[in-house]
Amino acid sequence: EPEVTQTPSHQVTQMGQEVILRCVPISNHLYFYWYRQILGQKVEFLVSFYNNEISEKSEIFDDQFSVERPDGSNFTLKIRSTKLEDSAMYFCASSEPLSPLHFGNGTRLTVT
Amino acid sequence: AQSVTQLDSQVPVFEEAPVELRCNYSSSVSVYLFWYVQYPNQGLQLLLKYLSGSTLVESINGFEAEFNKSQTSFHLRKPSVHISDTAEYFCAVTEANFNKFYFGSGTKLNVKP
Repeated sequence: EPEVTQTPSHQVTQMGQEVILRCVPISNHLYFYWYRQILGQKVEFLVSFYNNEISEKSEIFDDQFSVERPDGSNFTLKIRSTKLEDSAMYFCASSEPLSPLHFGNGTRLTVT
Repeated sequence: AQSVTQLDSQVPVFEEAPVELRCNYSSSVSVYLFWYVQYPNQGLQLLLKYLSGSTLVESINGFEAEFNKSQTSFHLRKPSVHISDTAEYFCAVTEANFNKFYFGSGTKLNVKP
């Protein structure tokens, strides 16, 4: 069965550094998402992306965050200047139109 | 905006006992409902979904959930749990455009021998 793949599985970075989290969605999916889960808390929506533009974003997704689909397969989340509170598990998901999300295994981001 | 409430953060249960994990959502507009399961160090996997039709939906591994519009609930049940069902379960809701899925805070199911 096709999968959403995320790299790296764990990223450690220093406060203020830029990080790029990478995702390869399922190949025929058109809708892409980023969610995050701070340890022990709920899964939070960050952003949805369709047709090379953001469809919707949450209040968490401020100017420090950006997403990009640089080629036909990758979907990236960039955090420009990381803060301690950005430490979380970041999940990429993709879907077909009007269909459930398919999630990757996540990237654990630790900001020190 | 939607909100999803999973009142039970942890549910301990013995193997072969029945279990119900509760989920309530806030909005009365047309919604689509999902349960996801997360095993340790893995992503969320779709367990079952309600999009339309019969209000009782089933998964391949014996779980079922019933959409109750009047009570805005979508509780997950299994008549007899296995050790392998130990995981965290998330209820999720989306509206017609599927732009945004709202998740509950999760329920950790711990099945004991």
